[in-house]
Amino acid sequence: EAGVVQSPRYKIIEKKQPVAFWCNPISGHNTLYWYRQNLGQGPELLIRYENEEAVDDSQLPKDRFSAERLKGVDSTLKIQPAELGDSAVYLCASSRDTLRDEQYFGPGTRLTVT
Amino acid sequence: AQRVTQPEKLLSVFKGAPVELKCNYSYSGSPELFWYVQYSRQRLQLLLRHISRESIKGFTADLNKGETSFHLKKPFAQEEDSAMYYCALDNNAGNMLTFGGGTRLMVKP
Repeated sequence: EAGVVQSPRYKIIEKKQPVAFWCNPISGHNTLYWYRQNLGQGPELLIRYENEEAVDDSQLPKDRFSAERLKGVDSTLKIQPAELGDSAVYLCASSRDTLRDEQYFGPGTRLTVT
Repeated sequence: AQRVTQPEKLLSVFKGAPVELKCNYSYSGSPELFWYVQYSRQRLQLLLRHISRESIKGFTADLNKGETSFHLKKPFAQEEDSAMYYCALDNNAGNMLTFGGGTRLMVKP
């Protein structure tokens, strides 16, 4: 099993440009999470989906960040426009259900905004 | 608001020495605590959770509610234990993990 798949693995963009990250969770996992990990820090949750519904997006900067999970499988996280402070690793994770099931993490996308 | 604190950014020990990675949390309810590990060039993965009371790869962690701590311990460190370790808390609101800042463990030969 491939596990959680993320692409791209690395992305370098100039500030004010848009960027999108894609995540394919483990088959059968209903819950999907997007985290942001700044350098030297632990991951911070941005948004959590149960199937196609965003059930917690309180930490998502809604002025420039958006996410979607069409058909309750793949998900896309978008930033438009990107700022220098958005440079980080963006992690996707999935779990079978919400109630304390183990979260499985993808390899992450390292974003550098110049 | 919940918070997880890992006071040590780096912990360096020699092979065979005991290891203790510290984790303190603040949360008013009854949390579930986890340790996640990230080996070099690998994904973040679950190491252990307090409700399991398991020993994984020789590591154990005991939840101390009085001291609000969940320290990770291993009696004899191995070189392959070198990795980033993250303590995390679930606040019972639906698998919402709050991570600490992480501790890098280096086990020297």
